[in-house]
Amino acid sequence: KAGVTQTPRYLIKTRGQQVTLSCSPISGHRSVSWYQQTPGQGLQFLFEYFSETQRNKGNFPGRFSGRQFSNSRSEMNVSTLELGDSALYLCASSLALNRYTDTQYFGPGTRLTVL
Amino acid sequence: QKEVEQNSGPLSVPEGAIASLNCTYSDRGSQSFFWYRQYSGKSPELIMSIYSNGDKEDGRFTAQLNKASQYVSLLIRDSQPSDSATYLCAVTDNNDMRFGAGTRLTVKP
Repeated sequence: KAGVTQTPRYLIKTRGQQVTLSCSPISGHRSVSWYQQTPGQGLQFLFEYFSETQRNKGNFPGRFSGRQFSNSRSEMNVSTLELGDSALYLCASSLALNRYTDTQYFGPGTRLTVL
Repeated sequence: QKEVEQNSGPLSVPEGAIASLNCTYSDRGSQSFFWYRQYSGKSPELIMSIYSNGDKEDGRFTAQLNKASQYVSLLIRDSQPSDSATYLCAVTDNNDMRFGAGTRLTVKP
């Protein structure tokens, strides 16, 4: 079974631009979560989507948004990029059968560099 | 604030030794606990999950959970150089998954 895929793998943008990242979950997985990983802050939760609805949201500004499509694929968008948005953005998918035992599987990530 | 704490390391052990990685969490309502391994430049990969108090063994890995002490650990027996990575502890309740900052492990040949 194919794993979680993310595109693009690498991205370079300049301040003020916007960016859209894409994530395709493992087949059959209904939940997609997004994380930002930086050396200083570690892995930080951005948001989770389930059945095309945002089910949970982390503590990030409104410049970070996302959506999920009917086939469970998800996109996240960052508008008005800042230098501090440079990070590895990870997508994780899960079956979402049981909230307490749900296991997340990570994609390879998108490395975003903001110049 | 719900927190997950790990010693950042680096933790260095000789090849063949037991590596012990520790994690504490603040939210008593936490239900599920996971250990992920992350190699440099790669994404986290799941090693173990544990949901009830006690030990859970999988090959060279043993996860230990003590909910009363809000403590979860990972033991790696017969450590190999290929085990050198950052190990992330993750904790979930019914809302979200929170990660510790990770412990960097180096296994020296």
